[in-house]
Amino acid sequence: GAGVSQSPSNKVTEKGKDVELRCDPISGHTALYWYRQSLGQGLEFLIYFQGNSAPDKSGLPSDRFSAERTGGSVSTLTIQRTQQEDSAVYLCASSVTGLNSDTQYFGPGTRLTVL
Amino acid sequence: ILNVEQSPQSLHVQEGDSTNFTCSFPSSNFYALHWYRWETAKSPEALFVMTLNGDEKKKGRISATLNTKEGYSYLYIKGSQPEDSATYLCASTASKLTFGTGTRLQVTL
Repeated sequence: GAGVSQSPSNKVTEKGKDVELRCDPISGHTALYWYRQSLGQGLEFLIYFQGNSAPDKSGLPSDRFSAERTGGSVSTLTIQRTQQEDSAVYLCASSVTGLNSDTQYFGPGTRLTVL
Repeated sequence: ILNVEQSPQSLHVQEGDSTNFTCSFPSSNFYALHWYRWETAKSPEALFVMTLNGDEKKKGRISATLNTKEGYSYLYIKGSQPEDSATYLCASTASKLTFGTGTRLQVTL
């Protein structure tokens, strides 16, 4: 079946602009995660959606970052007034139940470059 | 150990060599340990999820062990092949999945 998809695959933007990154999780997966990997760093947790529960936003680095998940499926990560330090690969993952022992299936990522 | 740490940071081996790398994680509030393989230009791919102390998992030439009491896991690759070249990530869950920075493996002919 189809895996996790993300769009765009690459995004180049100018400092100060807003960007939207999209994630389509695997159908039927109740949990959805956003991570980012900055150059030389590990995968950094950003936000986690589980069913209809309030999302865990504890990893969002600033109030310029927000995310929503509509209809329990597609998710959009929005970065307002982008800064150069926002340049990273943004990865989305989904899992069946969201349990800690559940395998997460990752999308191919969106490479964001802020000039 | 406060964070998930992996060593070595990078590794370069010849085809046919066997190799292993280490993941260290906080042993308190442990729930699960995940290993992923991340090839360039592809998505991270799940290899193993382990939850019990002493767990050993195997997939082909790749295997992993888990020691939850001392907070470490080893990943072994037997007879490395060029297609094994990738970054190997481990992640530990207490409240959420916390990733290490990975071990970058390069296998040459």
